[in-house]
Amino acid sequence: AQSVTQLGSHVSVSEGALVLLRCNYSSSVPPYLFWYVQYPNQGLQLLLKYTTGATLVKGINGFEAEFKKSETSFHLTKPSAHMSDAAEYFCAVSFYGNNRLAFGKGNQVVVIP
Amino acid sequence: DAGVIQSPRHEVTEMGQEVTLRCKPISGHNSLFWYRQTMMRGLELLIYFNNNVPIDDSGMPEDRFSAKMPNASFSTLKIQPSEPRDSAVYFCASSLGDRGGGQPQHFGDGTRLSIL
Repeated sequence: AQSVTQLGSHVSVSEGALVLLRCNYSSSVPPYLFWYVQYPNQGLQLLLKYTTGATLVKGINGFEAEFKKSETSFHLTKPSAHMSDAAEYFCAVSFYGNNRLAFGKGNQVVVIP
Repeated sequence: DAGVIQSPRHEVTEMGQEVTLRCKPISGHNSLFWYRQTMMRGLELLIYFNNNVPIDDSGMPEDRFSAKMPNASFSTLKIQPSEPRDSAVYFCASSLGDRGGGQPQHFGDGTRLSIL
């Protein structure tokens, strides 16, 4: 079965420091990969997605992610954390012919001033 | 453009009462998903529809839960009778479902349900 793993439920980062959230997937077929962000009392908002083509994907709010097939990974990064980045982040995967998304358990990001 | 619209945003009711959650997907989207989010279990897919037809309801926890999609612009999730353990945030999401895959889901702001 396809699945997504996000390690470390809570991630603390200092303001201005690198944000790195790890996502690994398990699949025998090429995946479509997504990162979503959830702010308090809101729904999930799409940050970025990888379908085909360039493996480095840029999203909103200065985030980017790189698809590495050899490592089955799709890690999310942002060079410099801002206080407004405090939120929960979810990695998700889907596959050709299947509309369902399989979500990771999420990372709660805390930004320390 | 209007996003996914859910109502009500908050619902507080007593155990045993019927609860109906409503969702209006993005116009033109033909796939609709209902999720439940709790601290303990995270984000769970309850059911999803494609072209108004339920495709997978294996996530519906019990017979007390039912969902309908009478047309392309409206869906309901009903709990009858409600129990305290049903307290959660319920999300509706929609997507374009006929493009082979890779389409993102767009989420509403959720309904925060509290069963007393």
